[in-house]
Amino acid sequence: NAGVTQTPKFQVLKTGQSMTLQCAQDMNHNSMYWYRQDPGMGLRLIYYSASEGTTDKGEVPNGYNVSRLNKREFSLRLESAAPSQTSVYFCASSRYDRGRGSSYGYTFGSGTRLTVV
Amino acid sequence: DAKTTQPTSMDCAEGRAANLPCNHSTISGNEYVYWYRQIHSQGPQYIIHGLKNNETNEMASLIITEDRKSSTLILPHATLRDTAVYYCIAQETSGSRLTFGEGTQLTVNP
Repeated sequence: NAGVTQTPKFQVLKTGQSMTLQCAQDMNHNSMYWYRQDPGMGLRLIYYSASEGTTDKGEVPNGYNVSRLNKREFSLRLESAAPSQTSVYFCASSRYDRGRGSSYGYTFGSGTRLTVV
Repeated sequence: DAKTTQPTSMDCAEGRAANLPCNHSTISGNEYVYWYRQIHSQGPQYIIHGLKNNETNEMASLIITEDRKSSTLILPHATLRDTAVYYCIAQETSGSRLTFGEGTQLTVNP
């Protein structure tokens, strides 16, 4: 099915461990994003990639790195996990409509639930 | 990006129209109004967006005031499955990222 696929769906890490969250989209979207959502709160942008080959910091980038591997894939890496990074992580993608002059078609993955103990 | 203000929560009876308001008094001319919703624990789902004209699709209608300082999302016949947090976002165009606020928790009651 077309959409945004995130792996893994669940993960438990010990403090100090590292891991990479994977995200892939098959909609030929040019922009991709990583958000985190803490309990009872809205989503906060970690990093985004407006197009292949570019990445930029969002609202809460500290402790994370990203790689836009190709047009389809955008990964998020935690180099040394901390309990404060316990959250649900959502990947999203979008495309730009030249006719309307707006980004649209934002599609989110189902999330990765990460617990750092 | 313009700040948006939404009520924290709303209730609606099943089968009735749900009207969700949003204030964006500092919106600029090149900012669109987007609406998303998030059903418990799932990723947000796009509903609709517009610039200044009213918009309608299979999910909802978006009414934007003439001065663009506020808008209303209308779910014409709410169902129990419409219970979710609804986010109103004012955002610039061209590949920009979405900035989420707290949203409105809509509860549709039987």
